[in-house]
Amino acid sequence: GEDVEQSLFLSVREGDSSVINCTYTDSSSTYLYWYKQEPGAGLQLLTYIFSNMDMKQDQRLTVLLNKKDKHLSLRIADTQTGDSAIYFCAEREGMDTGRRALTFGSGTRLQVQP
Amino acid sequence: AAGVIQSPRHLIKEKRETATLKCYPIPRHDTVYWYQQGPGQDPQFLISFYEKMQSDKGSIPDRFSAQQFSDYHSELNMSSLELGDSALYFCASSRSNRETRDYGYTFGSGTRLTVV
Repeated sequence: GEDVEQSLFLSVREGDSSVINCTYTDSSSTYLYWYKQEPGAGLQLLTYIFSNMDMKQDQRLTVLLNKKDKHLSLRIADTQTGDSAIYFCAEREGMDTGRRALTFGSGTRLQVQP
Repeated sequence: AAGVIQSPRHLIKEKRETATLKCYPIPRHDTVYWYQQGPGQDPQFLISFYEKMQSDKGSIPDRFSAQQFSDYHSELNMSSLELGDSALYFCASSRSNRETRDYGYTFGSGTRLTVV
């Protein structure tokens, strides 16, 4: 079965870059997502990447995908205190298959020190 | 832009009671998903519907059932509630039309269920 793993905690100083890592095991994963969850709040989609891409950049966010190693990372440039939250990596199979449910990692708690 | 609407936002029930959670997907999204997130845990997939038919089933207990109606809204029915059912329940929707390039899941804000 599929498994998605993340480190549990990351602490950075305001203004530094944050890199949150994720590994997955399902070789058929086609779509990989990053979600942000603030305390008591919902899941906010930050960005997603197709498995045929190596990198995707969106303002302060950069996603890198190493499909060979099944490794996904999210880099947040110029991290702000408002970025403090739990970040979930999630994967799912391609749209052509019947299964579209997401499998989430355990989440990485990002703490930004002022 | 319209988002996924869930109701109620908070719900308190006693053990062995029933609860019904509602979800209104983004217009023109054809797939609805339900997830359960326990305290300090990652979201776990429960069940999904595509064009009003059940399309996939995850770790949904037999005490729970769900359906999608003709207007595409969905309801999650939970019976014989247990303390361990206390969690945040998320609904998400997506659109399967690959031509639109809209593959992103959109989650609702969730319903926080507390069983006492």
